[in-house]
Amino acid sequence: KNQVEQSPQSLIILEGKNCTLQCNYTVSPFSNLRWYKQDTGRGPVSLTIMTFSENTKSNGRYTATLDADTKQSSLHITASQLSDSASYICVVSADDYKLSFGAGTTVTVRA
Amino acid sequence: DVKVTQSSRYLVKRTGEKVFLECVQDMDHENMFWYRQDPGLGLRLIYFSYDVKMKEKGDIPEGYSVSREKKERFSLILESASTNQTSMYLCASSTQGPTNTEAFFGQGTRLTVV
Repeated sequence: KNQVEQSPQSLIILEGKNCTLQCNYTVSPFSNLRWYKQDTGRGPVSLTIMTFSENTKSNGRYTATLDADTKQSSLHITASQLSDSASYICVVSADDYKLSFGAGTTVTVRA
Repeated sequence: DVKVTQSSRYLVKRTGEKVFLECVQDMDHENMFWYRQDPGLGLRLIYFSYDVKMKEKGDIPEGYSVSREKKERFSLILESASTNQTSMYLCASSTQGPTNTEAFFGQGTRLTVV
């Protein structure tokens, strides 16, 4: 069964600090991996996408990495801001219509 | 600006009621999806559609049905609402082709069944 595991479940960081979120997956075959940001009460919005051949992708202060051999990805947030408080969801796509979602990591940034 | 619009942000229904959740997208996307999101479980696929009048069961279709009479509209139907269907429901759409196309999500409908 295709699975996506995220850790930690939640974390609290001070404004200006960095943090890293983890994603492990068993989805096969693998097509691509996306990180989504979901603000409270809103739908998820895509931050980054990586295919098999890519091992790092940046979007502003967000940097995603992918190790397709170990089936691990991470999302690093640099110099966190209050607006980074959200749930971050790892989504892995196989070679069909279906997407496999992680349960998400809830990030709370405090002033 | 791309848009997926769900008809209601919050909904409260009684057990046994028939419930309709509507989703409209303005991007001419072929694929449309309905997910439910529960704490600790992530998003789970209920149904998806890859064309008008076409539908496929997802991972948890029991207790739900769907309708896609027009390309831009995908409806989720709870035939007889039950308390275990209390959840956040998310609609999404995407283009066909390579699966690295992005899925765009609506704002979600928080349904409470009492």
